[in-house]
Amino acid sequence: EVQLVESGGGLVQPGGSLRLSCTASGFTFRSYGMNWARQAPGKGPEWLSHITRGSDMIYYSDSVAGRFTTSRDDAKDSLFLEINSLRAEDTAVYYCVTPLITPTNVVYWGQGTLVTVSS
Amino acid sequence: EIMMTQSPATLSVSPGERATLSCRASQNIKNGLAWYQQKPGQAPRFLIYDASTRATGVPARFSGSGSGTEFTLTISSLQSEDFAVYYCQQYANWPRTFGQGTKVEIK
Repeated sequence: EVQLVESGGGLVQPGGSLRLSCTASGFTFRSYGMNWARQAPGKGPEWLSHITRGSDMIYYSDSVAGRFTTSRDDAKDSLFLEINSLRAEDTAVYYCVTPLITPTNVVYWGQGTLVTVSS
Repeated sequence: EIMMTQSPATLSVSPGERATLSCRASQNIKNGLAWYQQKPGQAPRFLIYDASTRATGVPARFSGSGSGTEFTLTISSLQSEDFAVYYCQQYANWPRTFGQGTKVEIK
């Protein structure tokens, strides 16, 4: 069974930083690119970043490019998101998201970790 | 950035009726479209990919159609568990983008 467990969220002051983690299981993590997405309260999901397998390429949305950094550790089946210069509008649940996983042909989302930016 | 526009914002439907949700892309995305269902307090659930292929475990009453810029999600006979918010997402281009959602509520 595919599982994604995010951690590292919490309350942080504007301008602060956090490092989010996602631990994956149930599939061959190193064989897939991975994604981060977020969802602000009462809003729809927003895709943030994709890292290819082997970390050859990393893509970011315009809203987070330059402030967020995605990385992965295939030895630990883990995905990371460093978030800097946090703003109130970064308050959201942050999700780790797989691409389409074969042979189940499903895209999996973790349960999310809440980041609250407030003084 | 490709803009995804969903309509209507809210759809009021009686159980057992058909629901038709629309999603429009600001440019041609061929069939690079997915649909998600989301209930309060839960992560989005993956329903459809490549515009019309149901994900494993998704009931046959859910169907997707369209290509290019116009897409439709149809729920043939709404069940109580189908009342939720539905999002489309394009994955043809970077950055990936979502629509703003259609809420399907009980009439």
